[in-house]
Formats: sequence, structure tokens, C-alpha cells
Amino acid sequence: DAMVIQNPRYQVTQFGKPVTLSCSQTLNHNVMYWYQQKSSQAPKLLFHYYDKDFNNEADTPDNFQSRRPNTSFCFLDIRSPGLGDAAMYLCATSRDGGLSYEQYFGPGTRLTVT
Amino acid sequence: AQTVTQSQPEMSVQEAETVTLSCTYDTSENNYYLFWYKQPPSRQMILVIRQEAYKQQNATENRFSVNFQKAAKSFSLKISDSQLGDTAMYFCAFMKRNNAGNMLTFGGGTRLMVKP
Repeated sequence: DAMVIQNPRYQVTQFGKPVTLSCSQTLNHNVMYWYQQKSSQAPKLLFHYYDKDFNNEADTPDNFQSRRPNTSFCFLDIRSPGLGDAAMYLCATSRDGGLSYEQYFGPGTRLTVT
Repeated sequence: AQTVTQSQPEMSVQEAETVTLSCTYDTSENNYYLFWYKQPPSRQMILVIRQEAYKQQNATENRFSVNFQKAAKSFSLKISDSQLGDTAMYFCAFMKRNNAGNMLTFGGGTRLMVKP
């Protein structure tokens, strides 16, 4: 089945130690998104890629970076995680154009910062 | 900028009964899309139902239906014959398509508990 895959599902990192979260998709969607979701809150968009074009949300901290080496993969890099960065990180994809435009979400990576 | 408001942080319903989740939004746009997403505990977010603003007919997907009132900017979700598996966080979301992608604005969510 076509899907959005996130690895790892659970990640523990130390305060200040860089960490990378991974997202891959088999849907061949051209848009990929990264959200941060804290407990019992709505997902908050960090940034997204429209094809190769990176779009950063105005209030996304500089500590968060992203890479999209090809259509299928997208990475979220947290350069110096703080305790406040502990959250669920959701990857989503969509296709611009055509009949299908909703976002498809991965299962998320739960990040713990110790 | 768009805002989405879900006024019910938590709700509960008995199995097999009907429940309605509220959502209101604020926008100056005329063409947009509305969604209800479901996020079960420790599981991924999935789309429940979508509504195009240009369509007057309310969307229906099996036991799930919406009451879309464009003038009132209201988009409620009705779940009929509630099942235990409907227990989840439900997010209402607004989308305006543009050339840079299809960004969602989420409401704060409603936690629904279906009781046996």
C-alpha cells in the first residue's frame, strides 16, 4: 500500500545533541510537510517542500532545518534540541493538482529530550 | 489569516448513539476546503471527511456526515451509530490552495470518548 513512513517511531536525544528524523513516501506526492504536535494540541506547521522549493513558516525556530534530497524522502534536523522541543513530529504529503489534494500523514516520531 | 475554532475540548457518547462535533472558522476567502481528521490514541492521523466550499451538498462518508453552513462559517461533524473505534482526537481543518502547497489550518481539537 502507498503510504507515508516515518523513522524512527520513538527517538530519545540528549539536550543539545543534534538529531535527525526521517520521512519517506510511496505516494509520489510533490509536497511534503513537517509538523510539530505537542500533547493534546493541534499540529503546528514548521515548513514544507513544494517540489524542491523550501517554504519556512515565519515562527519556526532556526534550530529546525529540513532537507529533501529527492521526491520520496524528507528529513527534519534539530540542531540543538532543547527540552521544549520534546513533541510528536508528523510528516505529511499532498499532491498539488488533480483530484486528490488532502494531506496524508505518517504515524509520527515521538521525540524525547533528556 | 484563517482561524479555526473547536469549542468542545472533550466530548463523550454512548456506543451506538449519535454525536455532533462543532467547528467554526473565519476567512475572507470564497474558495476553500474543509476537513475533519481523526487521530486515535498513539495512532496516525487519518482523513475522515472533506468538503469543498463551492459545493452546497453536505459531504457524507458512511456513518460520518457534515453540516456545512457557509454563510455562518460553520462545519460540524456528525457521527452516527458511534463505535468504540471512533474514540480519538478529532481535528477540524481549513485549507486554501495556493501555488506553494496546500496548507492546513487546524482547530484545537475535540477529544471524543465512546463509552460501551
